[in-house]
Amino acid sequence: AQKVTQAQTEISVVEKEDVTLDCVYETRDTTYYLFWYKQPPSGELVFLIRRNSFDEQNEISGRYSWNFQKSTSSFNFTITASQVVDSAVYFCALSALGGSTLGRLYFGRGTQLTVWP
Amino acid sequence: DGGITQSPKYLFRKEGQNVTLSCEQNLNHDAMYWYRQDPGQGLRLIYYSQIVNDFQKGDIAEGYSVSREKKESFPLTVTSAQKNPTAFYLCASRTSGASYNEQFFGPGTRLTVL
Repeated sequence: AQKVTQAQTEISVVEKEDVTLDCVYETRDTTYYLFWYKQPPSGELVFLIRRNSFDEQNEISGRYSWNFQKSTSSFNFTITASQVVDSAVYFCALSALGGSTLGRLYFGRGTQLTVWP
Repeated sequence: DGGITQSPKYLFRKEGQNVTLSCEQNLNHDAMYWYRQDPGQGLRLIYYSQIVNDFQKGDIAEGYSVSREKKESFPLTVTSAQKNPTAFYLCASRTSGASYNEQFFGPGTRLTVL
């Protein structure tokens, strides 16, 4: 079975603070893919990043960075110097080849991030 | 511009009525998905379709129906059998084949049952 856990329901920070969103996943598959999506107040999910299970290299994109650790089954997302525009719900998702639906995503419950000015 | 459109953005329904949510994509994607989102919940899969004229139930298909007569279109009907249909509905699509391809999402339809 595939499962994604985002234990942080809500996080509030003040602008310019760094913030890390946690994601823990469960799968028995050896080949799988992890995703992060952002859902702003408008509602549409925006793709942020994809990672495959064979690539544990961390990634940085501007103020965003991702830390993938297979040993702890985690794929955490850090926003450096947060801004008000970062306020959104962030979802972590998992796709595994062993699933009955090729390409289906299993989502965590999401973390509501609020950045105050 | 390529993308996914969903209509209407807001939909109100009386109890006992069926309603159909539209989802259209011009990304030439083979696979399409319908998700339901409730407050504080993640996205739950209702139905998905890998190719035209074929679709499968997801985790919460009861009370919903779909069709896939064209590659570009994947409408979702919320029937009167759905006991608690008030929710935010998201449609997504992706290229088929490799499971690492990300899904692209539409803007969503917010359904409220009066």
